[in-house]
Amino acid sequence: EVELTQSPATLSLSPGDRAVLSCRAGQSVSTSLAWYQQRPGLPPRLLIYDASKRAPGIPARFSGTGSGTDFTLTISSLEPEDFAVYYCQQRSSGPPTFGQGTKVDIK
Amino acid sequence: QVQLVESGGGVVQPGGSLTLSCAASGFTFSHYGLNWIRQSPGKGLEWVAVIRHDGSKQYYRESVQGRFTISRDNSNNTLYLHMNNLRTEDTALYYCVAFYGDYYGHWGQGALVSVSS
Repeated sequence: EVELTQSPATLSLSPGDRAVLSCRAGQSVSTSLAWYQQRPGLPPRLLIYDASKRAPGIPARFSGTGSGTDFTLTISSLEPEDFAVYYCQQRSSGPPTFGQGTKVDIK
Repeated sequence: QVQLVESGGGVVQPGGSLTLSCAASGFTFSHYGLNWIRQSPGKGLEWVAVIRHDGSKQYYRESVQGRFTISRDNSNNTLYLHMNNLRTEDTALYYCVAFYGDYYGHWGQGALVSVSS
């Protein structure tokens, strides 16, 4: 199983701030990586797939970069609805796996 | 608009059985592979099983292999997860999930399964 490690565990920021979330894979996953957002009481929502492609309806303030083992999700300017938990997920090899999540909360 | 509605969750004793259902609408059901993904406080998000669009192949995570069976009824737009010999570590919120490409693009609201004596 490919292990995904997300950092930091919690990111405390204010609306309008830039958020940078990291996901590191235990082995190369090429660009077979996605990011999801989960708000309280709701299921995860696909934001980014293939490391850098935005899913339909996802605002341009969300962007993904990276390949191999190191990936970044950037939210350019936090809106109130962006305070949530974010997960990365790989589909490169073995069973699909998820990171443990980064919580973005209000400072 | 894609809708996935899970049902069948509940409380069951260790060693017991439960079947989850997922009623789908808003898309051509028979064209999409479908998954069950679970979430628990202790283990986070875990992919459980996947079934091809036509039901011809199924794959499982190792810890449920031989105990869980994923199936589908394309004539009734319904996905199932039959769970046998349940363990306490199977306790989780189980999501029915449809692919967007090769990723998890459409999620239901989840069905809660609690395994406890």
